[in-house]
Amino acid sequence: GAGVSQSPSNKVTEKGKDVELRCDPISGHTALYWYRQSLGQGLEFLIYFQGNSAPDKSGLPSDRFSAERTGGSVSTLTIQRTQQEDSAVYLCASSPKTGDGYTFGSGTRLTVV
Amino acid sequence: GQNIDQPTEMTATEGAIVQINCTYQTSGFNGLFWYQQHAGEAPTFLSYNVLDGLEEKGRFSSFLSRSKGYSYLLLKELQMKDSASYLCAVETGGSYIPTFGRGTSLIVHP
Repeated sequence: GAGVSQSPSNKVTEKGKDVELRCDPISGHTALYWYRQSLGQGLEFLIYFQGNSAPDKSGLPSDRFSAERTGGSVSTLTIQRTQQEDSAVYLCASSPKTGDGYTFGSGTRLTVV
Repeated sequence: GQNIDQPTEMTATEGAIVQINCTYQTSGFNGLFWYQQHAGEAPTFLSYNVLDGLEEKGRFSSFLSRSKGYSYLLLKELQMKDSASYLCAVETGGSYIPTFGRGTSLIVHP
């Protein structure tokens, strides 16, 4: 597509439930990143996919967080047993190749109640 | 670890010039990005500096000094629509994962 698409744009969930967030990167972009942005905080790196290489999961805050990227395109970030501190905007970005400019999606605002 | 510092908030007058500074201490350096983020929206790319010096792009310019671990974003002829958060991000090492600062909230008033 023309830009990075994320869905849903807003998600309210009950504490303890699992959620799935979707990112559809720009066609042909091989690099895909997930970030988290809490109110008043900077962007916190979560996970990075580059082509068919093993993802860099060094930013995932706990084992409740996981992500996959199927066919080198769409990515899904899954948060299991959500906690209130998971409430944040989850941003996805893609780039044509490592080290190139990054285009962000509009994010998913997750609220855990 | 990586450390990136920016002022939390700045205010300026419409039509004026403002300089937003960013200092960094990182292990390795590939390049430095500036992004603009309006409230509730995605960050949008402004500039990318790899070499020392000033890069000008219309009303916006970005400067880099690698030896000093320092960059600034210069905004000229400020407009009300420039009110936004400005994010500095440093790309390091072989991972090419950019680390972001907390952002500088710029308020432009009439």
